[in-house]
Amino acid sequence: DQQVKQNSPSLSVQEGRISILNCDYTNSMFDYFLWYKKYPAEGPTFLISISSIKDKNEDGRFTVFLNKSAKHLSLHIVPSQPGDSAVYFCAATLNSGNTGKLIFGQGTTLQVKP
Amino acid sequence: GAVVSQHPSRVICKSGTSVKIECRSLDFQATTMFWYRQFPKQSLMLMATSNEGSKATYEQGVEKDKFLINHASLTLSTLTVTSAHPEDSSFYICSARVGVYEQYFGPGTRLTVT
Repeated sequence: DQQVKQNSPSLSVQEGRISILNCDYTNSMFDYFLWYKKYPAEGPTFLISISSIKDKNEDGRFTVFLNKSAKHLSLHIVPSQPGDSAVYFCAATLNSGNTGKLIFGQGTTLQVKP
Repeated sequence: GAVVSQHPSRVICKSGTSVKIECRSLDFQATTMFWYRQFPKQSLMLMATSNEGSKATYEQGVEKDKFLINHASLTLSTLTVTSAHPEDSSFYICSARVGVYEQYFGPGTRLTVT
């Protein structure tokens, strides 16, 4: 039962262009969403997050959009840089019960070509 | 920012032996830490939630007698893989809960059981 899905295993983008990474979820009770970036053999690093009460959050080159009715969020990277090449995970969490547990998608490997 | 370390970064052990992995929050106190496991090209799967001073909460399907978790202080959680077998070979990652939603991850430990 995959509650958070990233249906594109990989994405290739030219340097300077926009990268759009997508994520779908099934549980309408999720109240917070996060994006993490991960290099091989390293732990994920936090990128950006969004509360379920918002539809957009922006931080520099990174913008996350949330469409609650579609249960869909996306991460936009503009402009893309070769150093952005990594695996990107979206994650969702429920604050009810205060467990702090994150549920991760399968990840999307982004390759930014110079 | 919050820094989480893991030790060792890589370990090779013989089948039947036990291996301990340490997770430390370096510049903050973490009452809650999480342990994840990642198989190649797959998502991070939560194994257990480690709360300081209390028993860990294991996810369904995770053997608590095989994966012993101890969170004896506010800056240290340990995962011991007991009687390791080749199928336990994986990338183990810990994280520390920061605030309500966010987690900061350690760099991971590559375990290879021969």
